[in-house]
Amino acid sequence: EVQLLESGGNLVQPGGSLRLSCAVSGLTFSIYAMTWVRQAPGKGLEWISTISGSGGNTYYADSVKGRFTISRDNSKNTLYLQMKSLRVEDTAVYYCAEGSSWVDYWGQGTLVTVSS
Amino acid sequence: DIQMTQSPSSLSASVGDRVTISCRASQSISSNLNWYQQKPGKAPKLLIYSASRLQSGVPSRFSGSGSGTDFSLTISSLQPEDFATYYCQQSYSTLWTFGQGTKVEIK
Repeated sequence: EVQLLESGGNLVQPGGSLRLSCAVSGLTFSIYAMTWVRQAPGKGLEWISTISGSGGNTYYADSVKGRFTISRDNSKNTLYLQMKSLRVEDTAVYYCAEGSSWVDYWGQGTLVTVSS
Repeated sequence: DIQMTQSPSSLSASVGDRVTISCRASQSISSNLNWYQQKPGKAPKLLIYSASRLQSGVPSRFSGSGSGTDFSLTISSLQPEDFATYYCQQSYSTLWTFGQGTKVEIK
């Protein structure tokens, strides 16, 4: 059974930093591209970043480029999202997802709240 | 960036109704269009990929069609468990974009 388990969500002040993790099991992690998608409260889905299986290629939405960094550790089957210079509008549930064209598997999501 | 526009934003329907949701891309995306269903408090679930391919385990009452810029998701006979929000997503660009969602409510 494929499982994606996010962690690291928390309450943080504007301008602060946070690192999200996603532990993956049940698939050969290193061959799959991985993606982060977020959903602000009561809003729709927003793609924010994708990383290739090797980690050599990364892609970002304009809304987070320069502030967020996606990475992965294939030896630990873990995906990361380092978030800096957080803004109130970054408040959302962050989902870890498997896929480079569509998402077959989703995590349960972790809540990031940016507020003073 | 490629913009995805869904219509309607919401609809009310009855069990047994045929429901169609539209999704339009701001430029041609070939068949690189996927559909998801999301229920409150849950992660989305893939229904259709590559415009018309039914994901394994998804009931056959769901179908997708279209190519280029215009796409649709059809539920042939709405069931109680189908009341949810539906999103389209393009993967033509490595910078994915989602539609704004269509909420299907009980009439």
